[in-house]
Amino acid sequence: DAKTTQPTSMDCAEGRAANLPCNHSTISGNEYVYWYRQIHSQGPQYIIHGLKNNETNEMASLIITEDRKSSTLILPHATLRDTAVYYCIVIGSNYKLTFGKGTLLTVNP
Amino acid sequence: GAVVSQHPSWVICKSGTSVKIECRSLDFQATTMFWYRQFPKQSLMLMATSNEGSKATYEQGVEKDKFLINHASLTLSTLTVTSAHPEDSSFYICSARRTPETNVLTFGAGSRLTVL
Repeated sequence: DAKTTQPTSMDCAEGRAANLPCNHSTISGNEYVYWYRQIHSQGPQYIIHGLKNNETNEMASLIITEDRKSSTLILPHATLRDTAVYYCIVIGSNYKLTFGKGTLLTVNP
Repeated sequence: GAVVSQHPSWVICKSGTSVKIECRSLDFQATTMFWYRQFPKQSLMLMATSNEGSKATYEQGVEKDKFLINHASLTLSTLTVTSAHPEDSSFYICSARRTPETNVLTFGAGSRLTVL
């Protein structure tokens, strides 16, 4: 699986957009970019995934660069409940999901 | 939709006893479930892949005789920690694949095991 690099932590003001970057320069053609998050002491939650096109759902938007070497998860209007560890995972379909260290996003009032 | 229920949420047991954790997919069938373990301030570590009707596949370094996994139906997988010791105290989380060809997983809320 392609290795990903994420900042250890980020802060965001409540109501503002949170932009979480992820570098995955060794991604291969059949690998997807998945984002999950884990709120403290809970199980992880799926957010969004994409292959090469930008994606949007009710939770977030995923922007993947044209060369696919990096991506950004956007939470358009962060709330206090969005404080969590966000994991960017690059993986082919039907492979086992493994988690790195992720980014701790803290949304401040 | 796509809810995974995990039970118990927390359990305290004495050293040497066995503990069973259940993972149920409530509104979908899961041919494949995954068991993870998470120590404090660390990331999730995949322990094993549970396949309905067949033996589980364990990750390197995970003792299959200590962590018994049974996936007898399309909606239930169980993890039994046998002869638990204090070092087995951890947060155990199961997940299920919603559709076969994706990595969109639904996770349970986790089970916190404390071994005294």
